[in-house]
Amino acid sequence: EPEVTQTPSHQVTQMGQEVILRCVPISNHLYFYWYRQILGQKVEFLVSFYNNEISEKSEIFDDQFSVERPDGSNFTLKIRSTKLEDSAMYFCASTGRGALPYNSPLHFGNGTRLTVT
Amino acid sequence: ILNVEQSPQSLHVQEGDSTNFTCSFPSSNFYALHWYRWETAKSPEALFVMTLNGDEKKKGRISATLNTKEGYSYLYIKGSQPEDSATYLCAFQTGANNLFFGTGTRLTVIP
Repeated sequence: EPEVTQTPSHQVTQMGQEVILRCVPISNHLYFYWYRQILGQKVEFLVSFYNNEISEKSEIFDDQFSVERPDGSNFTLKIRSTKLEDSAMYFCASTGRGALPYNSPLHFGNGTRLTVT
Repeated sequence: ILNVEQSPQSLHVQEGDSTNFTCSFPSSNFYALHWYRWETAKSPEALFVMTLNGDEKKKGRISATLNTKEGYSYLYIKGSQPEDSATYLCAFQTGANNLFFGTGTRLTVIP
């Protein structure tokens, strides 16, 4: 069965550094998402992406964050200047097989654990 | 930020016992209610997506019900097995692009 894959599985970076988290969504999916979970807290929505542009973003997704789908397969999340509070598990997800995803489940990757020191 | 509550936060049951837990969500702007099963070190896996008031869905020993008017969903596991041990997440969908997750119910099934 097709899977969403994320790399790396764990990233350690120093405060102020840029990080890029990579995701390869399921190939015929059209809607892409980034979520994160800070340890012990809820899974939080960051951003959704459709038709090569951001369709919705949360308050967390400020100017330090950006997303890109550079080559039709990868979907990346960039954090320009990491802060300690960006430490979390970041999940990529995809859905939608051509129809509106109102009742389509999300397919998640295994996550990237980001540790900012 | 919408409030999605799950209870209990954690639960220990004996193998063979049946169990259930609750997801509460706002009763307005409802599109769908999702349930995911999340095992440690794996990705959340979709169990159900429910859209209609009164919906009941079943997958093996796991079933779920939905009440959109009062804003709750129940997840039931019949005859729990150790492999059912996981965190069960519900998520409230308000539109095409946004899911609000609860904190999850962590289930441990004791052999």
